[in-house]
Amino acid sequence: DAKTTQPNSMESNEEEPVHLPCNHSTISGTDYIHWYRQLPSQGPEYVIHGLTSNVNNRMASLAIAEDRKSSTLILHRATLRDAAVYYCILRGTSGTYKYIFGTGTRLKVLA
Amino acid sequence: DAMVIQNPRYQVTQFGKPVTLSCSQTLNHNVMYWYQQKSSQAPKLLFHYYDKDFNNEADTPDNFQSRRPNTSFCFLDIRSPGLGDAAMYLCATSTSPEGSNEKLFFGSGTQLSVL
Repeated sequence: DAKTTQPNSMESNEEEPVHLPCNHSTISGTDYIHWYRQLPSQGPEYVIHGLTSNVNNRMASLAIAEDRKSSTLILHRATLRDAAVYYCILRGTSGTYKYIFGTGTRLKVLA
Repeated sequence: DAMVIQNPRYQVTQFGKPVTLSCSQTLNHNVMYWYQQKSSQAPKLLFHYYDKDFNNEADTPDNFQSRRPNTSFCFLDIRSPGLGDAAMYLCATSTSPEGSNEKLFFGSGTQLSVL
């Protein structure tokens, strides 16, 4: 299973943009890049995913490097409710169908 | 409306006493997963079902079993819980994984305590 590497923790001020990096140097051509976040005492929730092109949705943006060996989750204006652990996961489309979580980044948002 | 439902939210069992955790889904998804999450750690995949096809992770202890009697329900059985099995157990679902828009939907989890 391809692995992801993320910083253990990051801090941001409220209402400022946050860039959460993820390295996935062993990504294969068919792996999708998924991001989930986990708020305290809750199950993880989907944030965004992409394959090659940058993606935007109501929660966040995903910037994918041209060689696909890294990606960045962008929260445009962090709020206190965005404080969570953010997980970057590679998801293959053939073979076994599973999501393997890495260690994630704990985001702290300062008021 | 909750789409992946786990009951109970908190479960207490005794050392060595079998326990079953349940998960149901209203999404009609093909794939169901069970994850174990210990304090301050990432979720760890135990096994998953693709329809009736069961897939066990290589490092999942034999003490952990699963049943999926139909599309909507999946159960996690811990035959002889040890103190080290105390954790949050998360159930998740996804659609047929070949699609480009496939993603995971999680329940709120069951926090298992072993006394």
